[in-house]
Amino acid sequence: AQSVTQLGSHVSVSEGALVLLRCNYSSSVPPYLFWYVQYPNQGLQLLLKYTSAATLVKGINGFEAEFKKSETSFHLTKPSAHMSDAAEYFCAVSGGTGRRALTFGSGTRLQVQP
Amino acid sequence: ETGVTQSPTHLIKTRGQQVTLRCSSQSGHNTVSWYQQALGQGPQFIFQYYREEENGRGNFPPRFSGLQFPNYSSELNVNALELDDSALYLCASSGDTSGNTIYFGEGSWLTVV
Repeated sequence: AQSVTQLGSHVSVSEGALVLLRCNYSSSVPPYLFWYVQYPNQGLQLLLKYTSAATLVKGINGFEAEFKKSETSFHLTKPSAHMSDAAEYFCAVSGGTGRRALTFGSGTRLQVQP
Repeated sequence: ETGVTQSPTHLIKTRGQQVTLRCSSQSGHNTVSWYQQALGQGPQFIFQYYREEENGRGNFPPRFSGLQFPNYSSELNVNALELDDSALYLCASSGDTSGNTIYFGEGSWLTVV
């Protein structure tokens, strides 16, 4: 079975500040890990994915995440926040039922203050 | 643009009614999954179809059912609608050529009154 815990349902940063969104996972098999972003009234857009290759993964819009097996973490970072980054972010792990079913965390809403 | 299209985008149904949601997956993707996202929560896996066969199901009752067609498009059917079924329903597609990436549509907003 897989599970994902996202610490902090709301995160607020100033424009230009570091963004850090936390994700911890539990998986009985080697995990594939994903970060998705959801803008208001829209579907999910893939930011980046880890699929057992490089542990530091770079995604779109300047985001990156590092897979740390010892900490069972996959935190999402961005060096400098933009106003356009304000959205809901979901961490997800695949495995378990189905070939590529995803188990999502509860999400973190990122606010960017001017 | 993910190439996954869903219809309708919004609909309102009465408790006890039935609803059918449709999804056209990205070309070449043979796997389609459906997720329910209640307001303020993360998406929850409903079920998945691979080459027209259901091959995984989450913790949803049998009144949630689906189909996948030979062209890999899909339907989600929900019978005997309950107020708690009000949510965003997301379709996702993937395939042997998608590199373990799952692409989501924009979703169908269902309101049950």
